[in-house]
Amino acid sequence: GNSVTQMEGPVTLSEEAFLTINCTYTATGYPSLFWYVQYPGEGLQLLLKATKADDKGSNKGFEATYRKETTSFHLEKGSVQVSDSAVYFCALSDRSKLVFGAGTILRVKS
Amino acid sequence: ETGVTQTPRHLVMGMTNKKSLKCEQHLGHNAMYWYKQSAKKPLELMFVYSLEERVENNSVPSRFSPECPNSSHLFLHLHTLQPEDSALYLCASSLSSGLNTGELFFGEGSRLTVL
Repeated sequence: GNSVTQMEGPVTLSEEAFLTINCTYTATGYPSLFWYVQYPGEGLQLLLKATKADDKGSNKGFEATYRKETTSFHLEKGSVQVSDSAVYFCALSDRSKLVFGAGTILRVKS
Repeated sequence: ETGVTQTPRHLVMGMTNKKSLKCEQHLGHNAMYWYKQSAKKPLELMFVYSLEERVENNSVPSRFSPECPNSSHLFLHLHTLQPEDSALYLCASSLSSGLNTGELFFGEGSRLTVL
């Protein structure tokens, strides 16, 4: 079945460092791809999405590009802030549901 | 204020208890979901309801029983749970179960501990 694999965390960075969180997927067809973020004590919220190959999703300084050839959707940000500390989930659409990865904890130190 | 509200936020129960989790959405959505979030594991989809009709049940044990009386409310009834059922249970809603926009709106979750 369809699945999503994310890099294991936690990822610990200093403020203003460059962030990459890797995400690869296995799917039949061409799913839409998503990044969700979960701040402490809150539910998940959509961060960005891409619906077809080579699309780039972006929001709040985060970007991810849908790469069909490598089945990847890596999340990047050029300069992280302490307020970006959260759990990040990669997901793909599978008919009537979203399939999520295990999540990657990001900790940003000042 | 979140558009999806879950109660209670925390629940501790014994293995022989019966309890319920409640979810309410104020967004006018037609689809609602229960997910289970355990440490270091992918979110597990449990149930999907579309227009109050269950459209997906992901091989969830019968000790979890969902109920969707209308498109705004979703319950998860719990009975004779096991300690391994301890987790964060997340409710979500979307405009439709077809997920055309891919956006799910999540509640803050109910943290369940089974003793």
